[in-house]
Amino acid sequence: ETGVTQSPTHLIKTRGQQVTLRCSSQSGHNTVSWYQQALGQGPQFIFQYYREEENGRGNFPPRFSGLQFPNYSSELNVNALELDDSALYLCASSLTDRGSREQYFGPGTRLTVT
Amino acid sequence: DAKTTQPTSMDCAEGRAANLPCNHSTISGNEYVYWYRQIHSQGPQYIIHGLKNNETNEMASLIITEDRKSSTLILPHATLRDTAVYYCIVRVTSGSRLTFGEGTQLTVNP
Repeated sequence: ETGVTQSPTHLIKTRGQQVTLRCSSQSGHNTVSWYQQALGQGPQFIFQYYREEENGRGNFPPRFSGLQFPNYSSELNVNALELDDSALYLCASSLTDRGSREQYFGPGTRLTVT
Repeated sequence: DAKTTQPTSMDCAEGRAANLPCNHSTISGNEYVYWYRQIHSQGPQYIIHGLKNNETNEMASLIITEDRKSSTLILPHATLRDTAVYYCIVRVTSGSRLTFGEGTQLTVNP
C-alpha cells in the first residue's frame, strides 16, 4: 500500500465525452504526476503538478488538463474523448525537495472509450 | 534523461536469485538509476535507486558498475509474487518525470 488512492477504479465513456479522474496523494507529498498506460506498453508521462502549478508536460494535447488542490489532491480532465484514450491512468505522488525521491503510484483508473 | 536498454524477458526458478541487467551507457554524472516493477494491472511499485554506490534494501540490491554505464537489480530469493515487469529508469532529480521503456518481463517459475 502506497497511500495513494485513485477514483473511480473503472470507467466507460463514449467518444466525444469528457471525463474527470481523481487522485489523493500520500500524506506530506507536494508533487503529483499523471501517466497514461496503453495496453502492453510502459506508462507515458502526461504532466506534473508541484504546489498547484503545472511543472512539466509530456507529449499530450491540450484536451488533457489537470488541477492540484491545496491539500495536494489532484484531478485529470480529458475533453473530447477519443478511442485511443482508452488506457490505464496512473497518478504518482512524491516529495520534491533537494534530494532524489521516489514516486509512489496509485492503483490506477481503467478508462474505456467506446 | 538517458535511455536504458533491458532484455525483453527473463525466467527464474523460485528460491533462486534473479539478476536483471540494464544498460544506460549515456548516463550523466547527476542522473540516478531507479528500478520500479509492475505486477499485472497494478500501479508501478518503487523498488530501489542509486547514484554511484551499490544499494540494498528489504526488497532488492542494486549493483552499479564503476563507470555507471550499466546496473543489475538483484532479487536474492525470488518468489512467485515477484513475477512482474521490471523497469530500469534514469532520471536527474526528485522533481523530474519518470520515462518508462519496455521493461523486462520476469517470470518466476515453481
